[in-house]
Amino acid sequence: GAVVSQHPSWVICKSGTSVKIECRSLDFQATTMFWYRQFPKQSLMLMATSNEGSKATYEQGVEKDKFLINHASLTLSTLTVTSAHPEDSSFYICSAGYGYTFGSGTRLTVV
Amino acid sequence: AQKITQTQPGMFVQEKEAVTLDCTYDTSDPSYGLFWYKQPSSGEMIFLIYQGSYDQQNATEGRYSLNFQKARKSANLVISASQLGDSAMYFCAMREGQGSQGNLIFGKGTKLSVKP
Repeated sequence: GAVVSQHPSWVICKSGTSVKIECRSLDFQATTMFWYRQFPKQSLMLMATSNEGSKATYEQGVEKDKFLINHASLTLSTLTVTSAHPEDSSFYICSAGYGYTFGSGTRLTVV
Repeated sequence: AQKITQTQPGMFVQEKEAVTLDCTYDTSDPSYGLFWYKQPSSGEMIFLIYQGSYDQQNATEGRYSLNFQKARKSANLVISASQLGDSAMYFCAMREGQGSQGNLIFGKGTKLSVKP
């Protein structure tokens, strides 16, 4: 149980475009999902908490207009990186529910 | 303030030997949970073991055990009989509030290398 699916696994996009990353809870309902970011050789840092049916809560320093989070159902949260720039290149990973199960992560490269 | 401290950036261990990865934490909440994850080069976060603050016994999962010393606020991971496939980054994490749906706070990680 407690399986979290994340898609895509990797994506390369051009600077200025937007990229959407999906996080799904496959066998349970998740009112809360968490989005983390990990830069190379660093630890995971919480970006935002996604709440089903309400606005996401962003950590200090994370631009809410740049990282759009939508949690429209109990099994799906999406993170959209808008107007991506090379400095947004990173590993993005989600977790859901009681937060100990993670998706497989998305490696974003902005060129 | 950093709440999870992993002081070993890198560790080496001989195959089939045991290794201890250190983790100390800081919290004022009497209810919390401690986690260990393995992150191979693929990036996925593999859950290894969990210890609740009120658990009386140290957690064990196969070759993994958690040496929980509450008074010292330490939660070291012990891997017995190391295998080459154990080479990876290992992260210690904490969530305040046992059984809650809160986020995890991670340490900086320890890179474990298993030598044949």
